[in-house]
Amino acid sequence: SYDLTQPLSVSVALGQTARITCEGNNIASKNVHWYQQKPGQAPVLVIYRDKNRPSGIPERFSGSNSGNTATLTISRAQAGDEAVYYCQVWDSITAHVVFGGGTKLTAL
Amino acid sequence: DVQLVESGGGLVQPGGSLRLSCAASGFTFNTYNMQWVRQAPGKGLEWVSYIGGSSSTIHYADSVKGRFTVSRDNAKNSLYLQMNSLRDEDTAVYYCARDPGFFDYWGQGTQVTVSS
Repeated sequence: SYDLTQPLSVSVALGQTARITCEGNNIASKNVHWYQQKPGQAPVLVIYRDKNRPSGIPERFSGSNSGNTATLTISRAQAGDEAVYYCQVWDSITAHVVFGGGTKLTAL
Repeated sequence: DVQLVESGGGLVQPGGSLRLSCAASGFTFNTYNMQWVRQAPGKGLEWVSYIGGSSSTIHYADSVKGRFTVSRDNAKNSLYLQMNSLRDEDTAVYYCARDPGFFDYWGQGTQVTVSS
């Protein structure tokens, strides 16, 4: 099965840049999507197909995907960005959706 | 506006059954694939099942295959998840989500608790 590995936690100073990684074997060959989940709420799509932002998501959120690592970058971090972030891909070999374990972003 | 509203959750004993529903509105339901995702207490997201727009393609996570059945009624704009032989580890919030290749809209979830 295909596995996605995320750091358990990332900290960022307010106003600085946070980078959350998602590692998988040759992940660059897949479309990676990112979701933000705040406590008690449903997940929200923040990046789709590696680097695209849905309408309503601030330009501060960006994504990239190369080699074995996809990255979600949050610029000018705000207190409201504190959440758990999940990466997700579709594994065509098993026909399964795969989620990373999630990364808790803490804004200091 | 796109809306997804889950219902049907509750408390059930191990070995029991539940049927979850997801009522969709604000988009042309039959043109979208749909998914079920769950989240156990304090845990991450776990994919459960996928169903294509015409129901011709269906996939399940290994953890639920043979016990859960996904279906949809495009005339009623509704998605379903029939859950049989429930186990303690099926306890979770269950979300339905619209899938144009990624999960762009999610419902608020329905709680399923399996306990004796």
